[in-house]
Amino acid sequence: SQTIHQWPATLVQPVGSPLSLECTVEGTSNPNLYWYRQAAGRGLQLLFYSVGIGQISSEVPQNLSASRPQDRQFILSSKKLLLSDSGFYLCAWSVATRSEQYFGPGTRLTVT
Amino acid sequence: QQPVQSPQAVILREGEDAVINCSSSKALYSVHWYRQKHGEAPVFLMILLKGGEQKGHEKISASFNEKKQQSSLYLTASQLSYSGTYFCGTGNYNQGGKLIFGQGTELSVKP
Repeated sequence: SQTIHQWPATLVQPVGSPLSLECTVEGTSNPNLYWYRQAAGRGLQLLFYSVGIGQISSEVPQNLSASRPQDRQFILSSKKLLLSDSGFYLCAWSVATRSEQYFGPGTRLTVT
Repeated sequence: QQPVQSPQAVILREGEDAVINCSSSKALYSVHWYRQKHGEAPVFLMILLKGGEQKGHEKISASFNEKKQQSSLYLTASQLSYSGTYFCGTGNYNQGGKLIFGQGTELSVKP
């Protein structure tokens, strides 16, 4: 069966510090991968998605970036965090473009 | 382009029914429904890919009216475990494989 991992589970970082969140998927090959952000009490905002290694589409211009160095690894990064970057970051995967998405447990980021 | 969900919130007693609607201004080729418990990740409920398609999962079902560009989620004989925030995610023809999620509907089931 397929599983998706995210770490860390929680993170508290000062403004201006760098960020690296990692997501890995097991039990499938060549998944579509997604990064979402959810502000407190709000909906899901798509940040990036990838259909293959090195193929990243950015949805929202901001100080975040994403990379996919391996087939089942998706990384979200920032060089300098802003207060507005606080939120619940969710990674998701799907088998194909129109198929259902499965979410990882998420990383709760607080920027202070 | 974000789909609009209604109502924004609903409170039910156990055993009551509810309908959550999701409407888009764009032509849809898929509608996904998810439920999120407080502090947890969203959990997939069902996907509808064809206009007129209806699906059921225990006492939760959904329909997709492609012509009206909308979907409805039906919860019958609600249970306490149904509490949470329900999101629809829509796939549009000009958006590749991306899903755009609605703002969510908060459902509370009381004993």
